[in-house]
Parts: sequence; structure tokens; C-alpha cells
Amino acid sequence: AQSVAQPEDQVNVAEGNPLTVKCTYSVSGNPYLFWYVQYPNRGLQFLLKYITGDNLVKGSYGFEAEFNKSQTSFHLKKPSALVSDSALYFCAVRDTNTGFQKLVFGTGTRLLVSP
Amino acid sequence: GAVVSQHPSRVICKSGTSVKIECRSLDFQATTMFWYRQFPKQSLMLMATSNEGSKATYEQGVEKDKFLINHASLTLSTLTVTSAHPEDSSFYICSAREGGGVYNEQFFGPGTRLTVL
Repeated sequence: AQSVAQPEDQVNVAEGNPLTVKCTYSVSGNPYLFWYVQYPNRGLQFLLKYITGDNLVKGSYGFEAEFNKSQTSFHLKKPSALVSDSALYFCAVRDTNTGFQKLVFGTGTRLLVSP
Repeated sequence: GAVVSQHPSRVICKSGTSVKIECRSLDFQATTMFWYRQFPKQSLMLMATSNEGSKATYEQGVEKDKFLINHASLTLSTLTVTSAHPEDSSFYICSAREGGGVYNEQFFGPGTRLTVL
């Protein structure tokens, strides 16, 4: 079965510094990977996705993620963090082998950017 | 991107009553809709998947008689929590996808916070 791991419950970073939020995955087929952001009491907002092609994917709000097949990772990065980036971030994977192509989420990582 | 709405955004009800949550795709036809449940500080857990015009497929451990899902049209799905109890209090999020292809985007609603007293 497909799964996603986000090893860090929380990531703290100072404004202006680079940030990384880690994600590793496990699938039986080819992965279709996503990052979403959630603000308090809100639904999920799409940040970026990887289907195929270039391993470095650029998304919304200056975020990017690098697909690494050998390490089965899809870490989220941003060169310079903003206080407004503080939120809950979810990595998700869709296994192309499953019937409905279900999206499975990691446990989430809370990003806290200090001024 | 495409917009998915949910109504109501917040509901408080007494134990034993039923609550209906609506999920609408506003500018696309949602062949498939998903219902998730999120407990505080936890991830989204998929409850069920529904395709328009057919019965929903429930995840293991989700009671189909308690969480009734109807996907009667390509723009509307409803989740009814029957005989709600305090342990059903949670944040419910729907998601909609146009078409069944693996590359099709999945869009999320803003969520409904259910509090059962």
C-alpha cells in the first residue's frame, strides 16, 4: 500500500533563511506527488506537483520540490522564508497502481517562521 | 484553479441528530468526489470515494450507515452524519476531481467543522 512519511512534526526557521520540509514516500507503481498547505480552519491549497519529467518542480509562492527516485523523497524547499509561510504543510502521493488513484497524505509538518 | 465549496462551514448540533454537509464543484464537473476527516493536529484521513451516479466506496473502518454519501450529480456530493455523537466532532473536507485519469487534479473544499454537543 502507498504511504507518505513526514518525519518532522515542526520546522522552525528565521525569516529570510532557506527552509526545507522533508517527505519520503512508498508506492508500488509510479508516484504522483503533491505538496499542499493548510492555514488554520481552512481546506488545503495546492502548492505543486510532480508527475514526470524534470526532477525539480517549481510551484506557488516561491516554493519548489525535488523528486529523488533513489531516495524516494520529495522535499519541499524555499530559498527565503516569509513569516506568512507559517502554516501546516502536507505531502501526498497518488499511486498509479491503485483503482481510484487515491491520494494518501503524510501526517503534516508545521512550519513556523519567526520574524 | 477550480473551485470547490462546502456548506455549512461550521455546524453545532446536539447528540443524536443528523447533519448534512454539501460539497459543490463550482466551475467543473466532478466525476469523482472524496470525503476526508481531519482530527486536530492530524492528517487527512480518507473516508470514502464516490463516483457520480454510483455507490460510494468506503475506507476500512468507516461505517457506511453512519456516514451516508450521495453523489447524485456531477457538481454535488453530500455527506450526512447520522445520529451524530461527540466523537464525530471533527473537520470534514471534501475534494473533487474532474475525470478519472491519474493526471487529473484534485481540488479541495474549505472544510466543515462539526461540533456535536
